[in-house]
Amino acid sequence: GQNIDQPTEMTATEGAIVQINCTYQTSGFNGLFWYQQHAGEAPTFLSYNVLDGLEEKGRFSSFLSRSKGYSYLLLKELQMKDSASYLCAVRALGDYKLSFGAGTTVTVRA
Amino acid sequence: DSGVTQTPKHLITATGQRVTLRCSPRSGDLSVYWYQQSLDQGLQFLIQYYNGEERAKGNILERFSAQQFPDLHSELNLSSLELGDSALYFCASSVGTSGVGTDTQYFGPGTRLTVL
Repeated sequence: GQNIDQPTEMTATEGAIVQINCTYQTSGFNGLFWYQQHAGEAPTFLSYNVLDGLEEKGRFSSFLSRSKGYSYLLLKELQMKDSASYLCAVRALGDYKLSFGAGTTVTVRA
Repeated sequence: DSGVTQTPKHLITATGQRVTLRCSPRSGDLSVYWYQQSLDQGLQFLIQYYNGEERAKGNILERFSAQQFPDLHSELNLSSLELGDSALYFCASSVGTSGVGTDTQYFGPGTRLTVL
């Protein structure tokens, strides 16, 4: 199976930048996903990485290093509405399901 | 709005009872996934169906079963309910290509199950 680790909580100030790290171990790799989840709501898709490097999407960017089993999600120009849980999920080669980390709760303070 | 619908939104029932959760995937998606999210466990994969056939199974209890119908909607049946089954149950759907490419999963709003 996959072993996925991410920090439990992070706090940052409105307008600042926060980087959420995710490390994983998997037998065969076929993609890493980041989802945002507000309390009691559905996870919503943020980004997908399968090749090494940085993917940028507006205020959010995601980076992947397959050799290191490492990814990060970068949130820029933080807004209060960005307060949520951010879930790192890995898909193994030949697999369909996603294995999720426990999530990182980000709190944005004024 | 992801395009995935789930009913009911909330369900309160007693131990030992049986419930059915329903999910309709996004238009064009052939694959449906069921996940359980409890406070101490995070999102756990239960089972996946693709075009009516079971494709993958996770840590799904024997008391739980699912199916996908010809119109591609899916139902998750939970029986002999226990207090520990209280959780958010999410359905997700994807195009369901052979595990390559993005094949992003889009999640429904979930069903909150409370077992008393």
